[in-house]
Amino acid sequence: DSGVTQTPKHLITATGQRVTLRCSPRSGDLSVYWYQQSLDQGLQFLIQYYNGEERAKGNILERFSAQQFPDLHSELNLSSLELGDSALYFCASSAGTGGGETQYFGPGTRLLVL
Amino acid sequence: AQSVTQPDIHITVSEGASLELRCNYSYGATPYLFWYVQSPGQGLQLLLKYFSGDTLVQGIKGFEAEFKRSQSSFNLRKPSVHWSDAAEYFCAVGPRSNDYKLSFGAGTTVTVRA
Repeated sequence: DSGVTQTPKHLITATGQRVTLRCSPRSGDLSVYWYQQSLDQGLQFLIQYYNGEERAKGNILERFSAQQFPDLHSELNLSSLELGDSALYFCASSAGTGGGETQYFGPGTRLLVL
Repeated sequence: AQSVTQPDIHITVSEGASLELRCNYSYGATPYLFWYVQSPGQGLQLLLKYFSGDTLVQGIKGFEAEFKRSQSSFNLRKPSVHWSDAAEYFCAVGPRSNDYKLSFGAGTTVTVRA
């Protein structure tokens, strides 16, 4: 158990819908990262927040957004969902934002868009 | 451009035999290097990481990895595989900066036969 929690575990929705994925980092960790894992793209970094502020951005679509709240939990919002958004979404956390810090991964949220 | 290559998509090994998983990276400078393992239905767990110093790194679960700068490689090894090592293994690199985005390889699936 990494100490990172993600809810829900599974999510089934329809195209065009909007969903919110939630992540609680390990106690004391200030950084939260979001990753998408799909069969065709592999594991891709989406976005990082550090202590409430966006820190780094990866291959995140404009239809996707994220935020980190004062209690440090984070939410990833996916809107206008398409079939291709079906994937496993991971959240990870680390203590700070320095290069090389160990990222601890949650169990993931499996999203299926029908 | 940064890239991480895991040449072997799938490896089958007998229980008790040795295992070596290959990882090559293309990066501007020596990055931080990581190996993660993902068991079925679970998140990623860090096996080991290389920052600097001794090029042979020891990790958890009896794994080790060797950094070879001249070959831009960071191969993972285990002398004697257990059935519980069946999983997917990911090599990852991260920059030596605060622009802390991990780039992952495509992964190698390891099957352990009795």
